[in-house]
Amino acid sequence: NAGVMQNPRHLVRRRGQEARLRCSPMKGHSHVYWYRQLPEEGLKFMVYLQKENIIDESGMPKERFSAEFPKEGPSILRIQQVVRGDSAAYFCASSPTVTGGLFFGEGSRLTVL
Amino acid sequence: AQKVTQAQTEISVVEKEDVTLDCVYETRDTTYYLFWYKQPPSGELVFLIRRNSFDEQNEISGRYSWNFQKSTSSFNFTITASQVVDSAVYFCALSDTGRRALTFGSGTRLQVQP
Repeated sequence: NAGVMQNPRHLVRRRGQEARLRCSPMKGHSHVYWYRQLPEEGLKFMVYLQKENIIDESGMPKERFSAEFPKEGPSILRIQQVVRGDSAAYFCASSPTVTGGLFFGEGSRLTVL
Repeated sequence: AQKVTQAQTEISVVEKEDVTLDCVYETRDTTYYLFWYKQPPSGELVFLIRRNSFDEQNEISGRYSWNFQKSTSSFNFTITASQVVDSAVYFCALSDTGRRALTFGSGTRLQVQP
């Protein structure tokens, strides 16, 4: 049973470009969460999605960031017009139920030049 | 609002020493979950334990043990006979059943010297 798969593991973008991070949850998991970890800091919640629905996006920046979890395919975290401050590790987690344990992927490390 | 405090930024011990990582939390919820995760130098997050707020029994798993005390809002983590492979950043986290988002502490970096 494969774990949570994130790709790319490392992504380099120049300021102003777009970054797309993908997350395939564990088999049977329909709840997906995105977290951001700035250098030397803890993880901060960004968004919680179920299939085709955004349940809680209270941690998402109001501009440039969006997330989706379509009926088919992985969840996508999209960052438009990246800035240096977006450089961070972005972790995806999935869960089979609302109260189930959270299992994290290995993270995608975004570097903005 | 929820808050998790890990006051120890960095701890250094010598192999075979016991070490306790502190975690203090704040929440208004009566039902919540507490977690510990390990982040080794390779960067991934490894799940260690989840504890329900109604279950105050201490837990032991090999060299790891957890002490949950509701009276002091603490969920401390002890590693017995530490090993170099235990070197990592350890995060304590809290979630309520309603919102479901985890609130993480800032982490404690543990260095185990040979």
